[in-house]
Amino acid sequence: KAGVTQTPRYLIKTRGQQVTLSCSPISGHRSVSWYQQTPGQGLQFLFEYFSETQRNKGNFPGRFSGRQFSNSRSEMNVSTLELGDSALYLCASSTGQGVLLQETQYFGPGTRLLVL
Amino acid sequence: LAKTTQPISMDSYEGQEVNITCSHNNIATNDYITWYQQFPSQGPRFIIQGYKTKVTNEVASLFIPADRKSSTLSLPRVSLSDTAVYYCLVGDVANAGGTSYGKLTFGQGTILTVHP
Repeated sequence: KAGVTQTPRYLIKTRGQQVTLSCSPISGHRSVSWYQQTPGQGLQFLFEYFSETQRNKGNFPGRFSGRQFSNSRSEMNVSTLELGDSALYLCASSTGQGVLLQETQYFGPGTRLLVL
Repeated sequence: LAKTTQPISMDSYEGQEVNITCSHNNIATNDYITWYQQFPSQGPRFIIQGYKTKVTNEVASLFIPADRKSSTLSLPRVSLSDTAVYYCLVGDVANAGGTSYGKLTFGQGTILTVHP
C-alpha cells in the first residue's frame, strides 16, 4: 500500500497570505489528523477529520481550518499567515477509531512552510 | 490535562540497551501510552503502545508501573540507525458544550544519539 502523501513538500509564503496544504491518506483509512511541528513547541495536534467531519481539535486559533472530502483526502488551510506559522505540518491517517482511542497514526513526510 | 515529561537527550553506544522514561502524572483512566520515533525530515513512526504492565514487540518493550504515572521505553541492543527523536504520547479528552475535543499530548521528545 502507498503511504500517506502530502503536497506540496515545501512552501514559502509571506505574512498575511493564506495557504492550503493537501494530504492523501493510506487507502482505506478514514481518519486524517494534522499536526504542527516547530523547534520551540514540538509536535502539536491541530485537528482530526473523520467521514468529512471535524471530530477532534487542538488549541489553535480559528485561522487554522481544514476539511475532508468523501474520498478521505484532507486539506488544511491557514489564513492570514504569521511568522510564527513557519513549521513542519504533518498529516497522519488511521483506519477510523481515531485519535481519541489512541489508534496507530501513520504519518506523511510533512509540508515545510516558511513564512517571510 | 495529561502532560508528559521526558529527558531532552540521551547518549548510548551500539549494542547497549537504552531506557527512556516518560512522566505523565495526570494520565486519565482511559488513556493509552504510545511511543513514536522520528528521523530528521520524516514523520513520526509508531513504535509501541501499552496501557499497563509490560508490552513487548519486535523492536522495543514498554514498562508501565501500576500507578501509570510514568512509562519506560526500552530499546534492546541499539544500533546507529536508532539515532532519532523519541516521543511519548498520552491521549487526553476534554468535553465542552457537547463537543468532544481530543488533544494528544506529545512530550518534548528525547533526542537519542547512538555512538559507534
